[in-house]
Amino acid sequence: EAGVTQSPTHLIKTRGQQATLRCSPISGHTSVYWYQQALGLGLQFLLWYDEGEERNRGNFPPRFSGRQFPNYSSELNVNALELEDSALYLCASRASYEQYFGPGTRLTVT
Amino acid sequence: AQKITQTQPGMFVQEKEAVTLDCTYDTSDQSYGLFWYKQPSSGEMIFLIYQGSYDEQNATEGRYSLNFQKARKSANLVISASQLGDSAMYFCAMREGDDSWGKLQFGAGTQVVVTP
Repeated sequence: EAGVTQSPTHLIKTRGQQATLRCSPISGHTSVYWYQQALGLGLQFLLWYDEGEERNRGNFPPRFSGRQFPNYSSELNVNALELEDSALYLCASRASYEQYFGPGTRLTVT
Repeated sequence: AQKITQTQPGMFVQEKEAVTLDCTYDTSDQSYGLFWYKQPSSGEMIFLIYQGSYDEQNATEGRYSLNFQKARKSANLVISASQLGDSAMYFCAMREGDDSWGKLQFGAGTQVVVTP
């Protein structure tokens, strides 16, 4: 069974640009979660999608947004990038109680 | 307020020894779940073990066991017979209450280095 996949692996953007990160959950999983892991700040919950709907949102500004497609894959969009958005962005999908994580997208904002 | 506290930023442990990673949590909910994840240098988060708040027995998964002390709000991870491949960052996390299928809240992590 294929795990959670994320693309791209690395992404380099300049301040003010937009970034789009993608995630494909494990087959059969309908919930997708996004987390940000900035250096020294640990993992912070960003967004949760289930059955195409946004179910919960962390304490992040509106320029962080996303969507979930009918095939349950998901996109995270970050607009007007700031230097502090540089982080590892992890996507997870859920089965039962545990969340399975993808390898992450490392976003660098210069 | 911090929901998950991991007081050990880093630990060294010798191969084949056991190591205990501390985790305390703060919640007023009766129903919650506690998780441990491992994050190697590659970055991927690997699920290790889960303990539900109503589970009476401590969870075990192979060399991993969770020492759950509900009254103390403690959920320590014990890794027995450490291996070099256990070197990684370890995170304790909690899912609270009615948000049963929702977000996890993570601690700051403990860096474990296993030495030969």
